[in-house]
Amino acid sequence: EVQLVESGGDFVQPGGSLRLSCVASGFTFSTYTMNWVRQAPGKGLEWVASVSGNGGSSFYVDSVQRTYYADSVKGRFTISRDNSKNTMNLQMNSLSAEDTAVYYCAKGTGYYPYFDSWGPGTLVTVSS
Amino acid sequence: EIVLTQSPATLSLSPGERATLSCRASQSISNSLVWYQQRPGQAPRLLMFDASNRATGIPARFSGSGSGTDFTLTISSLEPEDVAVYYCQQRSNWPSTFGQGTKVEIK
Repeated sequence: EVQLVESGGDFVQPGGSLRLSCVASGFTFSTYTMNWVRQAPGKGLEWVASVSGNGGSSFYVDSVQRTYYADSVKGRFTISRDNSKNTMNLQMNSLSAEDTAVYYCAKGTGYYPYFDSWGPGTLVTVSS
Repeated sequence: EIVLTQSPATLSLSPGERATLSCRASQSISNSLVWYQQRPGQAPRLLMFDASNRATGIPARFSGSGSGTDFTLTISSLEPEDVAVYYCQQRSNWPSTFGQGTKVEIK
């Protein structure tokens, strides 16, 4: 059974930084695209970032790990993964109130992924 | 960026009725359309991928159709546990985008 568990959500002041983590189990972590999707309070879903795996179900091309970001976070957030620990991270810098949301870790399938498993989410609150 | 527009915003039906949810893309995305269900207080769950393929464990009363720019999610006979917000997502190109959601309520 696929399990994804996020951690690291917290209350942070505007301009601050936070690092989220997602620990995965129940599948071959290294081969799949991993993703962050967020949901502001009372709002819809917003894709945040994706990092390729090294298998056929990922956008892994020419042995190069690739990352993609939403324009709203580009230059401020960094997605990374440690396949030896089945862990994905999201380093978030220069946070603003607009980043307040539940952040979901999601396992992705396909070159342009769909999200076939989700974690329960971790809440990030940015406020003074 | 591909914009997805869902309609209606809210659908209020009686148990056993048929629910029809729409998702329209701002440009052609072939069949690269995905549906998710988000029950109150829960994380989203994958329902359908590539327009018409049910995910593992999804009941047969859920079906998807469409290609190009117009897509439909149908719940053939509404059950109380289907109360949720339903989102579409396109996986045709980066950035990945979601529709704004359709809320399904029971009368």
